[in-house]
Amino acid sequence: DTAVSQTPKYLVTQMGNDKSIKCEQNLGHDTMYWYKQDSKKFLKIMFSYNNKELIINETVPNRFSPKSPDKAHLNLHINSLELGDSAVYFCASSQETGGRKNEQFFGPGTRLTVL
Amino acid sequence: SQKIEQNSEALNIQEGKTATLTCNYTNYSPAYLQWYRQDPGRGPVFLLLIRENEKEKRKERLKVTFDTTLKQSLFHITASQPADSATYLCALEPTDSWGKLQFGAGTQVVVTP
Repeated sequence: DTAVSQTPKYLVTQMGNDKSIKCEQNLGHDTMYWYKQDSKKFLKIMFSYNNKELIINETVPNRFSPKSPDKAHLNLHINSLELGDSAVYFCASSQETGGRKNEQFFGPGTRLTVL
Repeated sequence: SQKIEQNSEALNIQEGKTATLTCNYTNYSPAYLQWYRQDPGRGPVFLLLIRENEKEKRKERLKVTFDTTLKQSLFHITASQPADSATYLCALEPTDSWGKLQFGAGTQVVVTP
């Protein structure tokens, strides 16, 4: 059984379009994340939700909007896509214990290509 | 500014030898340091977590050390195997930003038979 799944795996689209990436985890975790990994392989956190509440919101263009309908899902909507948005986007989840976050479980990634 | 530095050059090592990777950081007060493995086209996979008050952690053939004075972590793979070939990422969780993992760029390890 897949622990953290993302759809789609590949996304090719034109500049200016709006697209969404979906993430689901079946681990029962209370915290979910979105990361961006650029061509230089740096993995940077974008957002984090804990029990459907936004707790981390890094300096990300407001064209990016996360939505968490429930604890097991975290979606990422991107408006007006730009060339620089091309990257691999990873969803991850973790479980908080005693107020601290523990290891994170990552999804397989969504490779976004903006033409 | 805050930095996490890992060797950018690939580490080529012969099967059976010990691979040692370095993670140096500046301007961080990490509560935790984690190591992940990433294979091409896949998401990172958690390997080990070490806390600021721990000096060393082991898991099977893996060993991590954490020196908060030197601001450095060393990651060792003993008796390396070709299946250990991957990119290894270190990540810090600062004391003032719970859950906000900051990742290094990773070091690629290539184990040849």
